[in-house]
Amino acid sequence: GENVEQHPSTLSVQEGDSAVIKCTYSDSASNYFPWYKQELGKRPQLIIDIRSNVGEKKDQRIAVTLNKTAKHFSLHITETQPEDSAVYFCAASIGNNNDMRFGAGTRLTVKP
Amino acid sequence: NAGVMQNPRHLVRRRGQEARLRCSPMKGHSHVYWYRQLPEEGLKFMVYLQKENIIDESGMPKERFSAEFPKEGPSILRIQQVVRGDSAAYFCASSQASGKETQYFGPGTRLLVL
Repeated sequence: GENVEQHPSTLSVQEGDSAVIKCTYSDSASNYFPWYKQELGKRPQLIIDIRSNVGEKKDQRIAVTLNKTAKHFSLHITETQPEDSAVYFCAASIGNNNDMRFGAGTRLTVKP
Repeated sequence: NAGVMQNPRHLVRRRGQEARLRCSPMKGHSHVYWYRQLPEEGLKFMVYLQKENIIDESGMPKERFSAEFPKEGPSILRIQQVVRGDSAAYFCASSQASGKETQYFGPGTRLLVL
């Protein structure tokens, strides 16, 4: 079935460093790739997304890159801050009917 | 401009009872998704519904679980004869019509089975 793999499962960085989270997907029809941030006890919230017709998208300190040939996409956070500490989920659309599958999540800890 | 609403936010049930979780999508959204999240784990897809139709229920357990999204009113996730293993956070998300896949999440319902 459709699968989204996410790595690493945990990531610890020093404040100010960069963090990179990587995901791979299996459905060649996937064309929409959102990233969500979930703080402890709260709902997942969309932070950035990318569609298959572009290779990179940036929003301030957050960027996402997409390699459709290799079926992988990555989240890059630069100049990390303690408030970036959360669980991050990648996701990929599947099929042609708005369906989505999520990665298992990455727990990011930014140490002050 | 209310977001996705879920109620109750917390639900306590004893083994064998029924749990009914409600989700009202964002205004203008006709697609609803249910996910289960165990502590320290990811979002496990359960079911995807449009009004009066189940589109994908490949993540739903075959027994005791059912979902509906009637023409009027919220989407309901129903768990019959709950067991301790059903304890989890259940998140609902909604999206607009086809081609606008962004899913927006509700605050979740935390189910505890005693």
